[in-house]
Amino acid sequence: DGGITQSPKYLFRKEGQNVTLSCEQNLNHDAMYWYRQDPGQGLRLIYYSQIVNDFQKGDIAEGYSVSREKKESFPLTVTSAQKNPTAFYLCASSIHDRGTVYEQYFGPGTRLTVT
Amino acid sequence: AQSVSQHNHHVILSEAASLELGCNYSYGGTVNLFWYVQYPGQHLQLLLKYFSGDPLVKGIKGFEAEFIKSKFSFNLRKPSVQWSDTAEYFCAVRSNAGNMLTFGGGTRLMVKP
Repeated sequence: DGGITQSPKYLFRKEGQNVTLSCEQNLNHDAMYWYRQDPGQGLRLIYYSQIVNDFQKGDIAEGYSVSREKKESFPLTVTSAQKNPTAFYLCASSIHDRGTVYEQYFGPGTRLTVT
Repeated sequence: AQSVSQHNHHVILSEAASLELGCNYSYGGTVNLFWYVQYPGQHLQLLLKYFSGDPLVKGIKGFEAEFIKSKFSFNLRKPSVQWSDTAEYFCAVRSNAGNMLTFGGGTRLMVKP
């Protein structure tokens, strides 16, 4: 089955610890995205990558870091500098073509709780 | 920066009632518009999209949306809702000035059987 997997589904961490969320896709998409979902605020873009070894900050990148060493993988690290890390994190991917718009496909999400 | 507003945060309807969820965006140029749906415990999935052409677009499960450029709106409609439509609905906009999607805050719809 083609799709996007995120693991784990639930993650608990103590304040002050960095944590890495996994996102893998087998759709052969060039572009990948990380969003944060908070109640009443919709989805906000954290980071995105349109090609391997390149990524750009989104609207709320502070306190997060990413890497894109492989086309199919786009892990997100929530660092201790992120002031309010408890949230639902969604990964997405899409075909990337400058001249055409393609829909984004979403993974099941990871719910991170930091105490 | 562009923004997307969904005015109804929570909507409760009885089965067979008609649905209209509002979506307004702030960008003045060419836009692509999307409605995504998140059913309980499931992935966010595309309901419908508007790129160009006929401003009335039809999506899955009997949903449709109308792009009204003069009102910067892309409202979602369904003539008769079912209990299985209970979900959270998100409007999203992509402008040609940037490649990214901007999402609205979402509307939680509960349909009572």
